[in-house]
Amino acid sequence: EAGVAQSPRYKIIEKRQSVAFWCNPISGHATLYWYQQILGQGPKLLIQFQNNGVVDDSQLPKDRFSAERLKGVDSTLKIQPAKLEDSAVYLCASSVYSSTDTQYFGPGTRLTVL
Amino acid sequence: GEDVEQSLFLSVREGDSSVINCTYTDSSSTYLYWYKQEPGAGLQLLTYIFSNMDMKQDQRLTVLLNKKDKHLSLRIADTQTGDSAIYFCAESNDTGRRALTFGSGTRLQVQP
Repeated sequence: EAGVAQSPRYKIIEKRQSVAFWCNPISGHATLYWYQQILGQGPKLLIQFQNNGVVDDSQLPKDRFSAERLKGVDSTLKIQPAKLEDSAVYLCASSVYSSTDTQYFGPGTRLTVL
Repeated sequence: GEDVEQSLFLSVREGDSSVINCTYTDSSSTYLYWYKQEPGAGLQLLTYIFSNMDMKQDQRLTVLLNKKDKHLSLRIADTQTGDSAIYFCAESNDTGRRALTFGSGTRLQVQP
């Protein structure tokens, strides 16, 4: 079974530029999550999708971050414009939406904002 | 809100047992998880325990849950150098949100 795919793996941009990340979840997984992991901290939820609907985006800085999940499969996360404090690893995870809530994580995209 | 806390660092010798501890505040936590993160990699699910269980064993891993004290531990028997990584405790609750709340991670260093 293929895992969660993310691209790019690394991205370096200057502040005020825009950036987009892509995630392809495990086939058949209805729920998709984007987490932000700042160095030295645990991941923090940005947004959760159930199929192509948003379940929770309460922690998403909506003035600069946006995300979509077209057709309930792939998802993109965008930052526009980026700030220095956005430097982090952005992790995508997916789950079947079973009672065990087991989430499977992708390798992440490491973003550096200069 | 929910909060999950872990100690930052643990060092053990190869062959010894490692015990990583975690405390959480949300009394409605339904599932508690242990994830492993190696350098430059995503998070790998190690094991999980349902809140009505006290203990779960899976090969070298033993999870103990004290729901009264909101304390979770992960014991790794016969720790190997390949176990060196950051270990995250996480919880979720049955509010429909189902996203995980993570601790800050415990870095396990295994010395040969």
